[in-house]
Amino acid sequence: GAGVSQTPSNKVTEKGKYVELRCDPISGHTALYWYRQSLGQGPEFLIYFQGTGAADDSGLPNDRFFAVRPEGSVSTLKIQRTERGDSAVYLCASSPYGGGGDTQYFGPGTRLTVL
Amino acid sequence: DAKTTQPTSMDCAEGRAANLPCNHSTISGNEYVYWYRQIHSQGPQYIIHGLKNNETNEMASLIITEDRKSSTLILPHATLRDTAVYYCIVPWGGNQFYFGTGTSLTVIP
Repeated sequence: GAGVSQTPSNKVTEKGKYVELRCDPISGHTALYWYRQSLGQGPEFLIYFQGTGAADDSGLPNDRFFAVRPEGSVSTLKIQRTERGDSAVYLCASSPYGGGGDTQYFGPGTRLTVL
Repeated sequence: DAKTTQPTSMDCAEGRAANLPCNHSTISGNEYVYWYRQIHSQGPQYIIHGLKNNETNEMASLIITEDRKSSTLILPHATLRDTAVYYCIVPWGGNQFYFGTGTSLTVIP
């Protein structure tokens, strides 16, 4: 079946601009996760959705970052007033239930470059 | 917070078994151990996970020590396509993964 998809695959923007990154999870998965991966580092947790609600947003670095999942399926990560330090690959994952023993399946990521 | 410790890098000859160790000495009784790998410029790929018993699937085997403080991922016949960064993860909170820097495995022809 179809895996997790993310659009766009690449996004180049200018410092100070607003961007939206989209994630389409595996159909039927109730849990959705966003991670950020900087060059040479492992992915870093940002936020976890259980259904429509953010169950844990402790990884969001500051209030410029926001994510929504209004219908419990597609999610959008929104970044306001982008900074050069936001340049990274943004990864999305989904899992069936979100509990212990639940496997996360990752998308290919969106590479964000802030000039 | 990191819950696992892995070597930074390892080499393995093509066709031989690759044994990747991981220490997770603070793991609690109901926490799983997951292994993922990431090939350059791709998203992390799920390999295997386990709780107490050893596990095997079409990709790899996972050996967990009896005290659960460490585990080993075994790729039985490494190929050049297995060259990747391998992450051993014990989720924290609900199901949040802390990846760390993983082990960079290089399979040598």
